[in-house]
Amino acid sequence: TQLLEQSPQFLSIQEGENLTVYCNSSSVFSSLQWYRQEPGEGPVLLVTVVTGGEVKKLKRLTFQFGDARKDSSLHITAAQPGDTGLYLCAGEKNYKLTFGKGTLLTVNP
Amino acid sequence: DADVTQTPRNRITKTGKRIMLECSQTKGHDRMYWYRQDPGLGLRLIYYSFDVKDINKGEISDGYSVSRQAQAKFSLSLESAIPNQTALYFCATRDTGANVLTFGAGSRLTVL
Repeated sequence: TQLLEQSPQFLSIQEGENLTVYCNSSSVFSSLQWYRQEPGEGPVLLVTVVTGGEVKKLKRLTFQFGDARKDSSLHITAAQPGDTGLYLCAGEKNYKLTFGKGTLLTVNP
Repeated sequence: DADVTQTPRNRITKTGKRIMLECSQTKGHDRMYWYRQDPGLGLRLIYYSFDVKDINKGEISDGYSVSRQAQAKFSLSLESAIPNQTALYFCATRDTGANVLTFGAGSRLTVL
């Protein structure tokens, strides 16, 4: 089983602050995805990173895939209350996705 | 209508009862999945299917069974429910060759 470790597990910050969530593994993945889940809903894909060292930006969110394709980070600039939710990373290997346990982010106004 | 629809959304049952959770999709995807989500444990794969009649075990298949009789439908059954099967269950679909999962809204199951 490929284990994906996410940190921190919980994060509570004030509106306007920056934050980074980490996703680490000892396994190499062909791609890594980040999902966001809101209460009462299923996870929704934010981004897929495929190439080692790849950086993708989605408005205030910046995603990075490690050079060795074993780890990834999600950085949010100037967090807003609407960013509140559970952030999940998922690594793909042999057409199977393995999910991390998630980071529960709360952005307080 | 949602791309992936799960029914029921909420269910409370008793130990030993048989339960079926249904999933239907309008995306025309070949691949369908059932995941279980527990607080602090993330999403764990129960079963998946790459085509009609194709069934594959995931990491936590014990105590569960599935049926894929049509491309658009994938049902999950608990033959004899037990309390530690209390969880939020998600169905997801995926297009062949793509690496994006589309999730349903979830089915919350409570076993008393």
